[in-house]
Parts: sequence; C-alpha cells; structure tokens
Amino acid sequence: DGGITQSPKYLFRKEGQNVTLSCEQNLNHDAMYWYRQDPGQGLRLIYYSQIVNDFQKGDIAEGYSVSREKKESFPLTVTSAQKNPTAFYLCASSISREDTQYFGPGTRLTVL
Amino acid sequence: AQSVTQPDIHITVSEGASLELRCNYSYGATPYLFWYVQSPGQGLQLLLKYFSGDTLVQGIKGFEAEFKRSQSSFNLRKPSVHWSDAAEYFCAGLNAGGTSYGKLTFGQGTILTVHP
Repeated sequence: DGGITQSPKYLFRKEGQNVTLSCEQNLNHDAMYWYRQDPGQGLRLIYYSQIVNDFQKGDIAEGYSVSREKKESFPLTVTSAQKNPTAFYLCASSISREDTQYFGPGTRLTVL
Repeated sequence: AQSVTQPDIHITVSEGASLELRCNYSYGATPYLFWYVQSPGQGLQLLLKYFSGDTLVQGIKGFEAEFKRSQSSFNLRKPSVHWSDAAEYFCAGLNAGGTSYGKLTFGQGTILTVHP
C-alpha cells in the first residue's frame, strides 16, 4: 500500500528542546517537502529536497533543519531557535518538482 | 511574485445545494493548478489538477473545476453537496518555469460548512 507516513501524530515539546518529525514515503518519489500550517495562513514551505543528499530552504527555514540520506526519508528537526514552533506540520512528495505533490497525514507539534 | 487568492474564507451551503469555491491566480505564465481538500486534523487530499488541455477538469468525489485564462480563475464546483463534503479547501498553483520553478503556492483556504 503506497503512501506517505508521518510520525508521531501528536508531539509535545518543552521550550529549549529540539524535536525531530519523521516523514517516510514508498512512492519512489524523488522530491520531498515540509510545510507548516497555521490557522488562517495556508501552507508555508519550510524545506524541500529534489534528490538524495540535496535540500534547499523554503520560505520559512529559520529554526528548522533537515536531512535526506535516503530517497524514502526526509526528517525535519525543529530546533530551539524556532521562536514559535507550535503548528501542524505536513510532509509531501512528488515525482519531480514540477509534478503533483501528495501529502502525509501531518504531525501536530505543541510547545509546552 | 506569484500568488493564489481564495476570496471566501468561509462558505455555508445546505445539503443538496450546488457549490462554487472561487480561486484566482496571479502568475507571469499559466501555472499548473490544483484543488486539495483537508478534513480537520488530517493531511491534504488531491481533488483535481489542471496542467493543460481541456479547461474543464473532473476530479474525485464529484468535483469539477474550470480554468478561465481571461479571468485568471480556477473555480471549484459541485452540483449537489453532501454533508461529508464539509472540510477546508485549498487552491494551489505550481510554477512550471521561471525563477520560482517548481514552487507550489497555496491560497488561504475556504472552510465549507454544510447544513442538513
């Protein structure tokens, strides 16, 4: 059953801690993305990767980091430098950057 | 800069009524266009997409959208709404070239409420 999985579904973090959100896809897609969603603001791009071992900053990369060591995996780390990390995080993938993006179920991060 | 605008933040319709959700885009060249739907706490599901060709696009769940170049619009329609259609709908545009190649830009979303 092909698709995109994100874990965990809910994540709680204390201020000052780094946390890592998981994103895995078995669609054999080259490109992967991370978006942040806040109420009334649509989706904003954090980072994207077009190919293994390569990634680029999106519109709101400050306070976040990523890696792409395997084609199927694109984890996102929310660092303590991110001033307002409480949000819903969505991972997506596509065959290539000019193709349709498909989304995972999301992770809701709450900072306590 | 490219942009996608959904003028209606919230729309309420009665079950069985027709629906039209508006989407306008501003791009240097015609972008690829998408409609996604999101239920509360869930990811985005693709409803339909327009790349080129026939300007009336059919999607899943009985939805369709019409691309109108003259109006820079890509409105989503459904002839008869079901209670299960209540969700948030996002229009998005993808640059197929230029300096922002491959960037997917989302509208702010339209929340659909369906009354019985």
